[in-house]
Amino acid sequence: DAGVIQSPRHEVTEMGQEVTLRCKPISGHDYLFWYRQTMMRGLELLIYFNNNVPIDDSGMPEDRFSAKMPNASFSTLKIQPSEPRDSAVYFCASSSRGSTEAFFGQGTRLTVV
Amino acid sequence: AQKVTQAQTEISVVEKEDVTLDCVYETRDTTYYLFWYKQPPSGELVFLIRRNSFDEQNEISGRYSWNFQKSTSSFNFTITASQVVDSAVYFCALLFSGAGSYQLTFGKGTKLSVIP
Repeated sequence: DAGVIQSPRHEVTEMGQEVTLRCKPISGHDYLFWYRQTMMRGLELLIYFNNNVPIDDSGMPEDRFSAKMPNASFSTLKIQPSEPRDSAVYFCASSSRGSTEAFFGQGTRLTVV
Repeated sequence: AQKVTQAQTEISVVEKEDVTLDCVYETRDTTYYLFWYKQPPSGELVFLIRRNSFDEQNEISGRYSWNFQKSTSSFNFTITASQVVDSAVYFCALLFSGAGSYQLTFGKGTKLSVIP
């Protein structure tokens, strides 16, 4: 299995632009998580899905952030409009309840200038 | 609410020294899982170990060992005879799975530097 795949690995964008981060979970996993990592706040859970349905989005910082999971093999995290304070590494992870282990993608390093 | 505290922000040791990374957690749940992840300089998060709340047996894997004590809500990680390749940020995490929720909460991490 190729593991959790995120794209792009790096993204540099100008303030105000729309940014879309992508994630392909491990086949067969029914949970998908989006995390944000910053020096100040560490690893924060933004949102997670179960069977493609958003379960808890209380970690999404504000309305500029949105996440979708149109099918079991794909999810997006969108920021519109982006701001410099959104600069961080965004991780996607997938899991299945039976394994109780989350497998992480390699992350997307986002820089908003 | 769940919380994971890693009080050590940064630790430096000389190669071949033993080092223990502390992790203290808070949860009101009786069923939960504890994890350690390693984040090397390349940035990915690498799973190291998982323990469930009903299994307090300590575990050893090569130079790594873990001490889980429910009485003190701690899940400490020891590296024996540290090596330069152990330099990384190590995260402790707590998973609660139940009542329609499934959440993995991370500590702030401990940055370990192993000096040759």
